[in-house]
Amino acid sequence: DADVTQTPRNRITKTGKRIMLECSQTKGHDRMYWYRQDPGLGLQLIYYSFDVKDINKGEISDGYSVSRQAQAKFSLSLESAIPNQTALYFCATSDPLLDTQYFGPGTRLTVL
Amino acid sequence: GQQLNQSPQSMFIQEGEDVSMNCTSSSIFNTWLWYKQDPGEGPVLLIALYKAGELTSNGRLTAQFGITRKDSFLNISASIPSDVGIYFCAGQLHVKRSQGAQKLVFGQGTRLTINP
Repeated sequence: DADVTQTPRNRITKTGKRIMLECSQTKGHDRMYWYRQDPGLGLQLIYYSFDVKDINKGEISDGYSVSRQAQAKFSLSLESAIPNQTALYFCATSDPLLDTQYFGPGTRLTVL
Repeated sequence: GQQLNQSPQSMFIQEGEDVSMNCTSSSIFNTWLWYKQDPGEGPVLLIALYKAGELTSNGRLTAQFGITRKDSFLNISASIPSDVGIYFCAGQLHVKRSQGAQKLVFGQGTRLTINP
């Protein structure tokens, strides 16, 4: 079984809709992250959380919000999706010792 | 903000050739990481470098953490078809020292294509 899972894997939605992407992990890590990847670019950090009560904005948080429901779950929401939020979204967790990040398989989101 | 310049952006090589790619930055990083991403998958960690000057190997992969802490390279020897993919460098820096927590800054990626 995968250590970091993301649902859905693919989603097509319309402008203005609210969308939630979910991430779950079985690694027991406190630290979780959400990234966005656009074609031909590296990953950009949207939000990160170092424990259930800790939420921090990343480089590109505008238009996004997150919820850390439990140690194992970290959700990303688009309150009102717009076409330029079409991208691949990755969740990651990191171990507390070396802070090495492990990535989920990604969610491909298309906003029409 | 911090930026990483990764080069080349793409490479087209013959199977069996060696590959070299690098990342540079104007910022100092605590750790350099190299990831590989296959189509439809998330990045997978290949090598992590924790000390300036460190040279680390993982099978046919070799990576080095530059002395200035502002650059790193990754070499792949004797390439094989399964090496195809996108390779990303990432620099790690502290965001909350009290928690020992760090965040990653990614390069733009190097797309490797191999002709059999």
